Amino acid sequence: QKEVEQDPGPLSVPEGAIVSLNCTYSNSAFQYFMWYRQYSRKGPELLMYTYSSGNKEDGRFTAQVDKSSKYISLFIRDSQPSDSATYLCALDQTGANNLFFGTGTRLTVIP
Amino acid sequence: KAGVTQTPRYLIKTRGQQVTLSCSPISGHRSVSWYQQTPGQGLQFLFEYFSETQRNKGNFPGRFSGRQFSNSRSEMNVSTLELGDSALYLCASSWRTGGSSGANVLTFGAGSRLTVL
Repeated sequence: QKEVEQDPGPLSVPEGAIVSLNCTYSNSAFQYFMWYRQYSRKGPELLMYTYSSGNKEDGRFTAQVDKSSKYISLFIRDSQPSDSATYLCALDQTGANNLFFGTGTRLTVIP
Repeated sequence: KAGVTQTPRYLIKTRGQQVTLSCSPISGHRSVSWYQQTPGQGLQFLFEYFSETQRNKGNFPGRFSGRQFSNSRSEMNVSTLELGDSALYLCASSWRTGGSSGANVLTFGAGSRLTVL
């Protein structure tokens, strides 16, 4: 079993839709939960990160963590064509020098 | 600040050859990580260097090696290339927010896309 599982999609939604992206994980030691966005032919870029359970909002993006269920989500409100990218969840374990990534979900927002 | 620079961006090799990829991290960052990205496996951790020392290594064969120089620039080498080594190789420089127990924030380069024929 992989440390982090993420539905690869692809996911296609109309402009303005609410998008939900999800990951599950198995290791309780993860403490920071991150979302990266990767455009075609680019490296991943950090969108946001959270620590512990709860919600964190940044503009149209909301990250949600449920440590009891080992489930993390990224919600995108009012999705735009410019949001079309691959979204990767990444988990950080204190003391480790690497992140554990999901395989990524490819999102297309149709104008 | 300039971002993470990786060279070359694209390269094509044949089986059995070797390849060296280069990475220049963000100025002042001493930690450099390497990841392999493939469609089926996603991002897989190769190794991480800090101040010229390898601190952590992923589950890759010994054909994959790396090093870091005193100016924090890093190289990775893959010897005896196999078809399965075709991938996007990503380098990231990193820092921890709020000290050693903070989040490990990675800033990635655009990657080096290796095709093995």
